[in-house]
Amino acid sequence: QKEVEQNSGPLSVPEGAIASLNCTYSDRVSQSFFWYRQYSGKSPELIMSIYSNGDKEDGRFTAQLNKASQYVSLLIRDSQPSDSATYLCAVNDGGYSTLTFGKGTMLLVSP
Amino acid sequence: GAGVSQSPRYKVAKRGQDVALRCDPISGHVSLFWYQQALGQGPEFLTYFQNEAQLDKSGLPSDRFFAERPEGSVSTLKIQRTQQEDSAVYLCASSREGSNQPQHFGDGTRLSIL
Repeated sequence: QKEVEQNSGPLSVPEGAIASLNCTYSDRVSQSFFWYRQYSGKSPELIMSIYSNGDKEDGRFTAQLNKASQYVSLLIRDSQPSDSATYLCAVNDGGYSTLTFGKGTMLLVSP
Repeated sequence: GAGVSQSPRYKVAKRGQDVALRCDPISGHVSLFWYQQALGQGPEFLTYFQNEAQLDKSGLPSDRFFAERPEGSVSTLKIQRTQQEDSAVYLCASSREGSNQPQHFGDGTRLSIL
């Protein structure tokens, strides 16, 4: 059974700090990895996708993937109160297959 | 609109009633997914369509759940004889054709069974 593990949090950081969110997955054949942001009562919003080992940067966000360790992370630089949300890690094993989600990590950025 | 559209946004039904939830995917998106999200949990897969073909329904929790996409665009998720444990947010997502395509979600339908 595919599993995606995330610390539920909350992760509390002060405004302007770097927030580091982590995710591990169990299925070694997983090929694509996504981070979604979900505000309370809202739908998941795609913020990053990563497919190969290493880092991928997009604005204040950096996704890091290590397939050997089955680990993917999301760094948010210069955190803002508006970044306060639940961050969902999702894993896909390629093809048309569904996404397997973690339970999400709640991030709280204090002014 | 440009995004995935779901209706209704909220649905309240009495236990035992049938409900139908609608999803209108992003234009041109071949793949359509339904997920169920319980409070405090991540979304869990229910079923997947590629065009009008339902290729995977392994996540449907019981035979009371039925989904269709007859013309390869709009999809309907139907739940018969609803139970209290069916209360959740039902999310629809769509993506372009091809492997590893990111999925884009609608705002969901919050279903409450009394």
